[in-house]
Amino acid sequence: EPEVTQTPSHQVTQMGQEVILRCVPISNHLYFYWYRQILGQKVEFLVSFYNNEISEKSEIFDDQFSVERPDGSNFTLKIRSTKLEDSAMYFCASLDRGPGNEQFFGPGTRLTVL
Amino acid sequence: AQSVTQPDIHITVSEGASLELRCNYSYGATPYLFWYVQSPGQGLQLLLKYFSGDTLVQGIKGFEAEFKRSQSSFNLRKPSVHWSDAAEYFCAVVRGSGSARQLTFGSGTQLTVLP
Repeated sequence: EPEVTQTPSHQVTQMGQEVILRCVPISNHLYFYWYRQILGQKVEFLVSFYNNEISEKSEIFDDQFSVERPDGSNFTLKIRSTKLEDSAMYFCASLDRGPGNEQFFGPGTRLTVL
Repeated sequence: AQSVTQPDIHITVSEGASLELRCNYSYGATPYLFWYVQSPGQGLQLLLKYFSGDTLVQGIKGFEAEFKRSQSSFNLRKPSVHWSDAAEYFCAVVRGSGSARQLTFGSGTQLTVLP
């Protein structure tokens, strides 16, 4: 069964450093998402991506964040200068089509900012 | 604005007992509603979804949920809980349209199953 994969599973970084979180969505999917979950809190939407551009972003997704689909398979989230409060689990998701369809989630990357 | 409320932060049930997890939503139009489960250290797995038709939907692992428009609810149920059901459960609604369609999640309900 096709699945969304994410690497690394755990990333530890120093405050102020840049990190890139990688995702490989399901191959025939068209819509891509990043969500984050701070420990003990709800899952929050960050950004959606379709047709090689951002379609919507939340207020969390400020200028420190960027997304890219550099080739036909990868979907990346970059944080330019990490802050302590960026420590969270980051989930990638992809969707085939249709608002009622399932978004498939990856296993997540746990980001720890020291 | 669309929102999802899960009133119960933590629920404890005995194995074999029935389960109901509550979810209330606030949404102007007919919502697309989902229940996801998250086991420790795992990603989010879809249990079931509703977007039209029969208001009682069946999902995986023996779960079902009922959409009640009059109560703005989409409660998750299982007649007999298994120890492996211990996890965190999230109710979610799709908001946005076109290419957006992001999920708005509730704050989750942590389920503990006693032997």
